[in-house]
This record gives sequence, C-alpha cells and structure tokens, in this order.
Amino acid sequence: GAGVSQSPSNKVTEKGKDVELRCDPISGHTALYWYRQSLGQGLEFLIYFQGNSAPDKSGLPSDRFSAERTGGSVSTLTIQRTQQEDSAVYLCASRERASSYEQYFGPGTRLTVT
Amino acid sequence: AQKITQTQPGMFVQEKEAVTLDCTYDTSDQSYGLFWYKQPSSGEMIFLIYQGSYDEQNATEGRYSLNFQKARKSANLVISASQLGDSAMYFCAMRDRRAGGTSYGKLTFGQGTILTVHP
Repeated sequence: GAGVSQSPSNKVTEKGKDVELRCDPISGHTALYWYRQSLGQGLEFLIYFQGNSAPDKSGLPSDRFSAERTGGSVSTLTIQRTQQEDSAVYLCASRERASSYEQYFGPGTRLTVT
Repeated sequence: AQKITQTQPGMFVQEKEAVTLDCTYDTSDQSYGLFWYKQPSSGEMIFLIYQGSYDEQNATEGRYSLNFQKARKSANLVISASQLGDSAMYFCAMRDRRAGGTSYGKLTFGQGTILTVHP
C-alpha cells in the first residue's frame, strides 16, 4: 500500500517568509510525528499527534513553529518568519496505533532558507 | 531525559564480513523500546529492528541482530554478511513505552554511524 508521503520534496525560501510542509500518513494510522534532521543536530523530535488527544508540542523549537492535523489524517507543519537555522530536512512518520512500535517515515522535505 | 550515544562516526567493512555498530543509551524508565534505522543516501528512513526492554531474547531480522545488554545499557546492531547495499547512515533510537501521556512513542535518536561496505 501507499507509504507516508510529504510535499514538497524540496523548498527554497527567503529568510522571513512563511512556509507550509505537508504530510500524508499511511491511511488508518492514528499517530503522526514530525522530526527535523539538520547538520550538527541530528534528528530531533518536533511534535506528535495521537488520535483526538492534545498534541505533544514539547519539541517545537520556538513559537514560529506550529502544526495541525486535520480530520486525524493530513498534517501541516508551518514555520513563520523563517530563519537560516531552520534549514533542514523535515521528516514525518506515522504509526498504526498506540500499541504498535514501528514508525514509518516519509521521504522528507528539504527546506533551504536563503 | 533519554539519551542515545553512538560513538562511531564512521565504520568500514569488507563485503561479506560482519560488522557491529555500537549504541549505548541512558534512561530512568524501566520500560522502553530500542530501534535501529537505516538511512541511505536517498534520505529515506528504513526501520530495521526493534528490541523491547522486557524482551528476553535478542531481536533478529534476517541479517540484522540486536545485541541487547540491559545491565550495560547497550543495544549494538550486528549486520552479518555485509552487502554493498548496506552502505548507509545507521541510527539507533529509543522510545519510551509508558502508556498514556502525550510523550508516548516519540523517538530520541543518536547521532548516527556512516557505514561503508567495500567490495
């Protein structure tokens, strides 16, 4: 079946602009995660959605970052007033249910802030 | 707070030989899960193997096995009979297994090890 998809695959934006990154999880997966992979920082957890529960936003680096998950499916990560340090690969992952352990990752969105 | 340490930035192995990638972890949780992911140059994260903290047997998946030493807090990945296609970045990760709470399931990753398989 279809895996996790992310769009766009690449995004170049100017410093100060807002960007939206999209994640389509595997159909039926209740849990969705956003991670960021940047040089020197490795992979960092950003935010986690589980069903209808309040999201875990503990990994968001600043209030310029926000995310939504509509209808328990598609998620959008928004970065406002982008900065050069926001340049990274943003990875989305989904998990079938709370009791399952494997997270399936999407191909990522490479964000470059110039 | 959980922490994963991978002390080998890069490893080299000859094709068909076995290689061990090191991973140590630190957590105060009694219940946790350990993962290994492979990330080839294409950037995709590929799940390899999982070990639960209460699992008595070391996990195995084909050519991958996890050498789990709980007392030493280590979870090394062993790849047997290396292939050229195994060349990639490998990440060790930990997930807490506490039921409930909003932090359930998020992964904490190590810095990764780049494995190069020589013909």
